[in-house]
Amino acid sequence: DTAVSQTPKYLVTQMGNDKSIKCEQNLGHDTMYWYKQDSKKFLKIMFSYNNKELIINETVPNRFSPKSPDKAHLNLHINSLELGDSAVYFCASSQGGRRNYGYTFGSGTRLTVV
Amino acid sequence: AQTVTQSQPEMSVQEAETVTLSCTYDTSESNYYLFWYKQPPSRQMILVIRQEAYKQQNATENRFSVNFQKAAKSFSLKISDSQLGDTAMYFCAFMRFGGGSEKLVFGKGTKLTVNP
Repeated sequence: DTAVSQTPKYLVTQMGNDKSIKCEQNLGHDTMYWYKQDSKKFLKIMFSYNNKELIINETVPNRFSPKSPDKAHLNLHINSLELGDSAVYFCASSQGGRRNYGYTFGSGTRLTVV
Repeated sequence: AQTVTQSQPEMSVQEAETVTLSCTYDTSESNYYLFWYKQPPSRQMILVIRQEAYKQQNATENRFSVNFQKAAKSFSLKISDSQLGDTAMYFCAFMRFGGGSEKLVFGKGTKLTVNP
């Protein structure tokens, strides 16, 4: 029973298209995140939601819009895809405060823009 | 802003030997956590070990242990009895505790290869 599941695992699309990545966690965590891992493997936070409320919004183009319908789901929608958006996108969740034992990550979505 | 530095882009070790991966961080915070994550070729991010800054005792998890030097802002990972399955990217990460923005800040990673 997967704790943090992302779909799809692979996504190949053309420049200019709009795409979404879905994420769901069944751990009961109250905080969810999107991270981007670039071609050099560097991981950088994009967004964080706590119980459906946006907490962190790093310097990310407006073409990226997260949506959290409930605290178990955090989706990422990307408009007008560009070549530079090609990366691996990770969803993660954690329990905040003193019970924060680190993030549980999804398996990642490899996005390739051609 | 917090920064995490991993000075060894790549390392290799023979099976059954011990290897230490380095990590330093920069912060003015007093309440924080430190983590090591492993990313094998499967791409999955796996938590290896966690250290709370207020605890002086170094964390251990089976063959994995850390050397936490708070004054020096150093957090190295020691892998004992290395196994082929330890081959992976290893990321050191920092998290400030509290304040509503508990984000993980990662280092650039160390690629570890365990040779037979």
